Amino acid sequence: NAGVTQTPKFQVLKTGQSMTLQCAQDMNHEYMSWYRQDPGMGLRLIHYSVGAGITDQGEVPNGYNVSRSTTEDFPLRLLSAAPSQTSVYFCASSLDSVYGYTFGSGTRLTVV
Amino acid sequence: EDKVVQSPLSLVVHEGDTVTLNCSYEVTNFRSLLWYKQEKKAPTFLFMLTSSGIEKKSGRLSSILDKKELFSILNITATQTGDSAVYLCAVEDSGNTPLVFGKGTRLSVIA
Repeated sequence: NAGVTQTPKFQVLKTGQSMTLQCAQDMNHEYMSWYRQDPGMGLRLIHYSVGAGITDQGEVPNGYNVSRSTTEDFPLRLLSAAPSQTSVYFCASSLDSVYGYTFGSGTRLTVV
Repeated sequence: EDKVVQSPLSLVVHEGDTVTLNCSYEVTNFRSLLWYKQEKKAPTFLFMLTSSGIEKKSGRLSSILDKKELFSILNITATQTGDSAVYLCAVEDSGNTPLVFGKGTRLSVIA
């Protein structure tokens, strides 16, 4: 039981490049979310999903796409990276909030 | 729009002190309030509160929710240097929406 696995742990991109941040969980959780964390800003919701085939936007969705083709995976795509997307990205999943949300270890992304 | 405000934003205390962290919130349909501790990496779950007036305890940490006044507090007694972390408060709306986080309180415990 690996929990929530995020890859890569670190990434440096050039402005304009695209990439996918991977998130996988093996706990059969329906709820999955992507957050970004910037200094002094807490965790801000990018996109979320309440089950396979269902996604919705959070507070800061611009510049990011998601899909949820399986229960296990919830990748986050950066379409054309910008320096403003330099951040630490966390994926989280939950069966139900009564059990709390489980977070991945994060991806530190730098866009130069 | 849902909103979570934590105070103070940062706090420095000495080992052995007792601290109280605050979280006020505004949500459309409140379901639960959660506290997390974040050290160097991912947040780790501390408490979930749904009912007013019922204290949750885990060792030196405790938390209580006031649904009438829309706030929660997290108490840490006899603080240790290992308590140094960012403490995050988050609320869950009942409409199948994910957590909305506050900006966190950075606690530093010095020996």
